[in-house]
Amino acid sequence: EVQLVQSGVEVKKPGESLKISCQGSGYSFSIYWIAWVRQMPGKGLEWMGIIYPGDSEAKYNPSFQGQVTFSVDESISVAYLQWSSLKASDNAIYYCARLNGPAGLYGMDVWGQGTTVTVSS
Amino acid sequence: EIVLTQSPDTLSLSPGERASLSCRASQRINSRLVAWYQQTPGQPPRLLIYRASSRATGIPDRFSGSGSGTDFSLTISRLEPEDFAVYYCQQYDSSPETFGQGTKVEIK
Repeated sequence: EVQLVQSGVEVKKPGESLKISCQGSGYSFSIYWIAWVRQMPGKGLEWMGIIYPGDSEAKYNPSFQGQVTFSVDESISVAYLQWSSLKASDNAIYYCARLNGPAGLYGMDVWGQGTTVTVSS
Repeated sequence: EIVLTQSPDTLSLSPGERASLSCRASQRINSRLVAWYQQTPGQPPRLLIYRASSRATGIPDRFSGSGSGTDFSLTISRLEPEDFAVYYCQQYDSSPETFGQGTKVEIK
């Protein structure tokens, strides 16, 4: 079964760092782009950017550039999303998703279950 | 950045009725690179339609997509109880990719 499994709920304080994960299984992890999508409480979906596990090429939404960092460990089929200094405005559910087809032509067809990040003093 | 505006914000319908959802782009989307996703409470989004009109694997044929240029639509021919959810369109023609604000299909 093709799936993406994300790390669990995180509760952090403002200013703390955080790295969440997304593990792929059941397919060739290296050759499919991974997207990160934010959903703030009660709100819609926001595309944060994508990363290619094969060479770690990353493309960021300008709204998130410099605020987060994408990375991968191809050897264990895991993609990461990290913050160096969290803010209260980072409260959200973060999803990873697989882009299917060349350049994601066939859409984001497999999604992780989401990681809830709560930032509160 | 391409802005997608979905309408209506909320659609109140009964099971068995037809649902028509609209997604309008602020500029032309090439190659019909629009997808539609369904999200139910507490669940991640699910891909329904890609390239404007192609159904994703396992999606029932009551879901159909159409459109080109700046106007796209999703139609659910006969609503089943499990179809009451929020639907998002997304363009992946230009970066940053963007989503519409969502249309909630609720039970009347």
